[in-house]
Amino acid sequence: RKEVEQDPGPFNVPEGATVAFNCTYSNSASQSFFWYRQDCRKEPKLLMSVYSSGNEDGRFTAQLNRASQYISLLIRDSKLSDSATYLCVVNTGGFKTIFGAGTRLFVKA
Amino acid sequence: DAMVIQNPRYQVTQFGKPVTLSCSQTLNHNVMYWYQQKSSQAPKLLFHYYDKDFNNEADTPDNFQSRRPNTSFCFLDIRSPGLGDAAMYLCATSRDTGGLAFDEQFFGPGTRLTVL
Repeated sequence: RKEVEQDPGPFNVPEGATVAFNCTYSNSASQSFFWYRQDCRKEPKLLMSVYSSGNEDGRFTAQLNRASQYISLLIRDSKLSDSATYLCVVNTGGFKTIFGAGTRLFVKA
Repeated sequence: DAMVIQNPRYQVTQFGKPVTLSCSQTLNHNVMYWYQQKSSQAPKLLFHYYDKDFNNEADTPDNFQSRRPNTSFCFLDIRSPGLGDAAMYLCATSRDTGGLAFDEQFFGPGTRLTVL
């Protein structure tokens, strides 16, 4: 079993749609969680950190469920510019981070 | 702007010919990382430095070495590149939060390595 697993997609959605991604992690001692966005052939960039209480940034909402060991990302009112790969990232302690393989999103006009 | 810079952006080498990739940062972060990312795969952590302390991942091949001569610079040396080492190599930095929650990582644009 991979330490961090994501549905690879691709998710193909029309503009304006709401889309949700899930990510599961295997290490129950994991402490910090993030969603990164990666455009084709570019570097990952932080989208948002994920806090225990859940957090929202504009159209993006992240949730953490420690009991079930998963995090989620919800994107509302999808834009064409949201098309990218979304990487789930888990810090398992110290400076060790594990990336998921990413979920690809295509938003169509 | 503070940033993470990688040189070169594209590197072509021959099978078995040593190659060095460079990373520099102006963020003054004390942690630097090297990741390998192959097509459609997750970035895979090779090693990281906390200041001058080197931390190798258990499954990182001996073929990969690293140097950090000072806070700003970090190098990835591939001693004998094989065809399977063709990938994007990403350098990243983060700051030490002193035991608080792990902080975000800032990535450079990557070096795409081709092995002929």
